[in-house]
Amino acid sequence: GENVEQHPSTLSVQEGDSAVIKCTYSDSASNYFPWYKQELGKRPQLIIDIRSNVGEKKDQRIAVTLNKTAKHFSLHITETQPEDSAVYFCAASKVGNDMRFGAGTRLTVKP
Amino acid sequence: DGGITQSPKYLFRKEGQNVTLSCEQNLNHDAMYWYRQDPGQGLRLIYYSQIVNDFQKGDIAEGYSVSREKKESFPLTVTSAQKNPTAFYLCASSTPGVGGSYNEQFFGPGTRLTVL
Repeated sequence: GENVEQHPSTLSVQEGDSAVIKCTYSDSASNYFPWYKQELGKRPQLIIDIRSNVGEKKDQRIAVTLNKTAKHFSLHITETQPEDSAVYFCAASKVGNDMRFGAGTRLTVKP
Repeated sequence: DGGITQSPKYLFRKEGQNVTLSCEQNLNHDAMYWYRQDPGQGLRLIYYSQIVNDFQKGDIAEGYSVSREKKESFPLTVTSAQKNPTAFYLCASSTPGVGGSYNEQFFGPGTRLTVL
């Protein structure tokens, strides 16, 4: 089955710096790659997603890139703010509707 | 908050007891999922259901059971066979996209289960 690995497990940046979180997946049939943000004690919420027919997607300060050949995708957050502090999860899914998540990255943005 | 609810928010269980976690959605989503979240391990899939009266095991189904009698409801029973049930349980729902693609999963607020 699909295996998603996520790095780093923790990331600390200064406010205003950029943050990058990377994920790799094992199943070349995976075609949907969402990123979720989970604040402490709250439910995960989608922040951005990308499908396999697209190489990059951007939404304001957040961008995701996908390299299908290498089977990896990354989340980029620019101009980080303290409210970006949270745990971020990547995920991958394919036909069959089951999704696999990475272990998560705890991002801390220091003011 | 996305129209998906879970109850109760906190649940305490004695060893040897079965307990059922509720998940209800009013989003008219076909697919529903149960995940277990432990510190540092992300979200692990327990069971999922793509349609009423059908469900599949995820990666860690042992010690759990589900039913999908109604589109809106997907309850999870944690049985006494689950060796380490203390965890945060998240339910989610989604709709299949066009041509086999997928749409986002919407999560419920979660149930924190503690075995005493």
